[in-house]
Amino acid sequence: QQQVKQSPQSLIVQKGGISIINCAYENTAFDYFPWYQQFPGKGPALLIAIRPDVSEKKEGRFTISFNKSAKQFSLHIMDSQPGDSATYFCALLWMDSSYKLIFGSGTRLLVRP
Amino acid sequence: ETGVTQSPTHLIKTRGQQVTLRCSSQSGHNTVSWYQQALGQGPQFIFQYYREEENGRGNFPPRFSGLQFPNYSSELNVNALELDDSALYLCASSLEPGAPADTQYFGPGTRLTVL
Repeated sequence: QQQVKQSPQSLIVQKGGISIINCAYENTAFDYFPWYQQFPGKGPALLIAIRPDVSEKKEGRFTISFNKSAKQFSLHIMDSQPGDSATYFCALLWMDSSYKLIFGSGTRLLVRP
Repeated sequence: ETGVTQSPTHLIKTRGQQVTLRCSSQSGHNTVSWYQQALGQGPQFIFQYYREEENGRGNFPPRFSGLQFPNYSSELNVNALELDDSALYLCASSLEPGAPADTQYFGPGTRLTVL
């Protein structure tokens, strides 16, 4: 089973600060690196995603940085807001016949007002 | 909202029983994947259905089975329930596997509790 390691497990940030979540993977046979946001009682919602041919992608306050040689990618949330408080999962798209997502263990983010 | 719906929202069963969970995929999506999310963990892939055929399976025993119907809705069946089956069960719909924008959109999940 391919794995992705996500850190930190939990994160507390003040409003307006930068939240940084990191993921590292082992296998190079991945072609799609999404981040999902999950609120309590809800399913994961796609936040932002990147393909390995670019090193950075920005959408509003959310930025993915991707380091292919180090097999690492990270999510940066700029100007963090209390409404960003949720659990964040990085994921990899594993391309066997089923194109399944392999998820990290999650980071619980709390943004204090 | 993603347009993916699941039923029921919550379910309580006892050990040894059987359960059926249902998922309606987003319009235009012909692929449904099922995931199990234990408390405090990331979702784990159970299996995927594409055009009514199983299209890949994760590390789950055969008592986890599924169906996909011509309208691309899907069912997850779990037999001989065990306590460890207690989890949030998520379905995700997507375009054809490997499509250029292969993004999986998740439903809200079914919370299964096994007593």
